Amino acid sequence: DQQVKQNSPSLSVQEGRISILNCDYTNSMFDYFLWYKKYPAEGPTFLISISSIKDKNEDGRFTVFLNKSAKHLSLHIVPSQPGDSAVYFCAASKGGSEKLVFGKGTKLTVNP
Amino acid sequence: ETGVTQTPRHLVMGMTNKKSLKCEQHLGHNAMYWYKQSAKKPLELMFVYNFKEQTENNSVPSRFSPECPNSSHLFLHLHTLQPEDSALYLCASSQSGTGVYGYTFGSGTRLTVV
Repeated sequence: DQQVKQNSPSLSVQEGRISILNCDYTNSMFDYFLWYKKYPAEGPTFLISISSIKDKNEDGRFTVFLNKSAKHLSLHIVPSQPGDSAVYFCAASKGGSEKLVFGKGTKLTVNP
Repeated sequence: ETGVTQTPRHLVMGMTNKKSLKCEQHLGHNAMYWYKQSAKKPLELMFVYNFKEQTENNSVPSRFSPECPNSSHLFLHLHTLQPEDSALYLCASSQSGTGVYGYTFGSGTRLTVV
């Protein structure tokens, strides 16, 4: 059973608008969440993370929100740029573990 | 060279072949990982090595055989694979004891089994 779910395989937005990527998890033991970005023919690169003791973390155009009661997190990109077009993976870990559990990814396309 | 380097980038092999994937990290990390990404599936953890010792084998079939001769190098030896093993194989490294902070991935090897 998938512990980390990204139910939208793809998302298309206009340049300058907000992109919202969603992620749900089932394991309440997860306490650290990360977003990775992956371009074709490259490995995933770390984008932003959030600890379960927080409900928001911001880094420039990227903000991650965590709703523990709903076991839901989201990544907001504002404003979206064509260079943001990539596959975004949500990942989670628990208790200082070095193992990451990934979602299937969401392919974001930002149209000029 | 910097970061995590994987070779080859692409590999096509028959079901009776034996091949190896190589991963090398230049980050001074001491934990290394193999992940598998199949089409329309999440990245799946296969193996974890900490200080050259295997600490995790995520129920991977024996036709996949990892080897970690030192903290900088990780291999995945392949033999008698099946077409469903075709996938992107990603190597990653991190500093043991820091959790998932600083996790760095290589670019992957795209494997096709024919």
